[in-house]
Amino acid sequence: QVQLVQSGAEVKKPGSSVKVSCKTSGSPFSSYVLTWVRQAPGQGLEWMGGTVPMFGPTNYAQKFQGRISITADKSTNTVYMELSSLRSEDTAFYFCAREGTSSSSLEFWGQGTLVTVSS
Amino acid sequence: EIVLTQSPATLSLSPGERATLSCRASESVSSYLAWYQQKPGQAPRLLIYDASNRATGVPARFSGSGSGTDFTLTISSLEPEDFAVYFCQHRSNWPQFTFGPGTKVDLK
Repeated sequence: QVQLVQSGAEVKKPGSSVKVSCKTSGSPFSSYVLTWVRQAPGQGLEWMGGTVPMFGPTNYAQKFQGRISITADKSTNTVYMELSSLRSEDTAFYFCAREGTSSSSLEFWGQGTLVTVSS
Repeated sequence: EIVLTQSPATLSLSPGERATLSCRASESVSSYLAWYQQKPGQAPRLLIYDASNRATGVPARFSGSGSGTDFTLTISSLEPEDFAVYFCQHRSNWPQFTFGPGTKVDLK
């Protein structure tokens, strides 16, 4: 059974960085696209970027280019998302998600990590 | 960049009623359209993939249809647990995902 378990809630100051982890289990780590989606309170879903952990290609949404980094640690089956230069508008739930039966949809989701940016 | 629009923004219905949700793409997405359900405090749950295929464990009252630019999610008879927000989603190129703004199905 595929499971994605994310790290806990974070409170950050404006201008700082946050690194959220997503540990996967239950299937070969490397074979799928692992993507990050965020959701501001009461708002919709926003794709941030994704990677294929084994092969390394990574794609980021243009909105986050320059301040996002998605990396993978194959030894621990964990994918990381780091967002820098945080501002209050980055306060949101951050989800990792993975494709499943169809590569065009996200079947498996982490539980979400709340990142609060506040001075 | 493909834009997804959903209508209505809010759908107020009673248990047992039929819900019809719409998702329109700014250009053809073939059948690469998925639907998700999200309840407060939870991650989204995949309901439908590739326009009309139910995901594992999804009840038969949920069905998806459409192709090209116009898609529909139908809930044949609303159960109390179906009151939630529903998002459509398309994956384009390498892997870039676009989501619609969502439709909230609430209790009339």
